[in-house]
Amino acid sequence: SQDLTQPPSVSVSPGQTATITCSGDALPKQYAYWYQQKPGQAPVLVIYNDSKRPSGIPERFSGSSSGTTVTLTISGVQAEDEADYYCQSADTSESYVFGAGTRVTVL
Amino acid sequence: EVQLVQSGAEVKKPGESLRISCKTSGYRFTDYWIAWVRQMPGKGLEWMGIIYPGDSDTRYNPSFQGQVTISVDKSINTAYLQWSSLKASDTAIYYCARRKLEAYRYFDLWGRGTLVTVSS
Repeated sequence: SQDLTQPPSVSVSPGQTATITCSGDALPKQYAYWYQQKPGQAPVLVIYNDSKRPSGIPERFSGSSSGTTVTLTISGVQAEDEADYYCQSADTSESYVFGAGTRVTVL
Repeated sequence: EVQLVQSGAEVKKPGESLRISCKTSGYRFTDYWIAWVRQMPGKGLEWMGIIYPGDSDTRYNPSFQGQVTISVDKSINTAYLQWSSLKASDTAIYYCARRKLEAYRYFDLWGRGTLVTVSS
């Protein structure tokens, strides 16, 4: 089984950079994906394949990968970015896992 | 418009059965897997299982195997999640989400969720 570890919370001032990490032993072999979930809403994909951004996602969202850790970076954070963020990965047997989520608070 | 429309909120008693649905539209049903994801109150996302509508190939998270059943009806482009005997601990929001066949394993579109409340 694969576990993904995220920090429970990150606080950031408007205009600053938020960095959210996700660690897992399988990440060097599997892509990671990131979802944003605002209160009362369904999750939305913001990063796929470690660092690619779906159409419609602002450029301030970016992703990177290094060894067993992937990182979601939100540059120039805006108030509307306050949300929970989840990383996710999967293996070739169609077994999926989510991290526990990181709450981003915009101060 | 491409969408996943989930059935409405349910209030059930422990021991009752339930089936919730996820009706898809705007794309070829057999081009995507459909997954179910649980979110308990105030908690994170948990992958429950996934089904390929083309042949009903189904994979379950071991934590949910035997607790729920995932199925599809190809004739109406709809996926289902069902319980035979609900418990209070099944109280949660349940999301369906799609994952493109023969592609990377992420969920590019989600339903709005179905709130299931189990209480005596």
